[in-house]
Amino acid sequence: SQQGEEDPQALSIQEGENATMNCSYKTSINNLQWYRQNSGRGLVHLILIRSNEREKHSGRLRVTLDTSKKSSSLLITASRAADTASYFCATDTGVRAAGNKLTFGGGTRVLVKP
Amino acid sequence: KAGVTQTPRYLIKTRGQQVTLSCSPISGHRSVSWYQQTPGQGLQFLFEYFSETQRNKGNFPGRFSGRQFSNSRSEMNVSTLELGDSALYLCASSLRDRSLWGEAFFGQGTRLTVV
Repeated sequence: SQQGEEDPQALSIQEGENATMNCSYKTSINNLQWYRQNSGRGLVHLILIRSNEREKHSGRLRVTLDTSKKSSSLLITASRAADTASYFCATDTGVRAAGNKLTFGGGTRVLVKP
Repeated sequence: KAGVTQTPRYLIKTRGQQVTLSCSPISGHRSVSWYQQTPGQGLQFLFEYFSETQRNKGNFPGRFSGRQFSNSRSEMNVSTLELGDSALYLCASSLRDRSLWGEAFFGQGTRLTVV
């Protein structure tokens, strides 16, 4: 089962525009992570935000986390054609006995048109 | 540092056969997780190993199994393949201790096609 649901499922924007995607989850988390995947290849880690953080920046990426609403958003500013990919949120419930286990959302497919 | 290496990259198997996929984690990472990705079900957790012990298992039938060796390399095996097992299988390694929750590093995946 998927912990996170992402919205929208697909997004098409022009180069230079901002892209925003949202993720909702169901259970308490220790952290929430965002990953990028290009054309069915491996996932690349983008950013991790801990449950006690509300906002985090990394380059052109901005992530927010609202634990009261169990939701997160990823903003990519000044998008480039190379940002075309699928973006996934993943939650880590962090129960030590359960080991490492990420539960992924369904992903948002982003197309950046030159 | 070398990344996570998965072999082979592509596989075509026939229904009823079995398959073994391999994953070499980043040096020093003791946790290895496996995920299955399909268009219909998305990314689903298969299992995770840490220091040769399976710590968690996803909701998959017993045909899916895995193991981890003393050098942290991991293999997963799928027996009696079914058409629905066609998927991209992703391996991830992680450096985690009891207090630090870090990111996972993924390999490029093994694309398995069952015909």
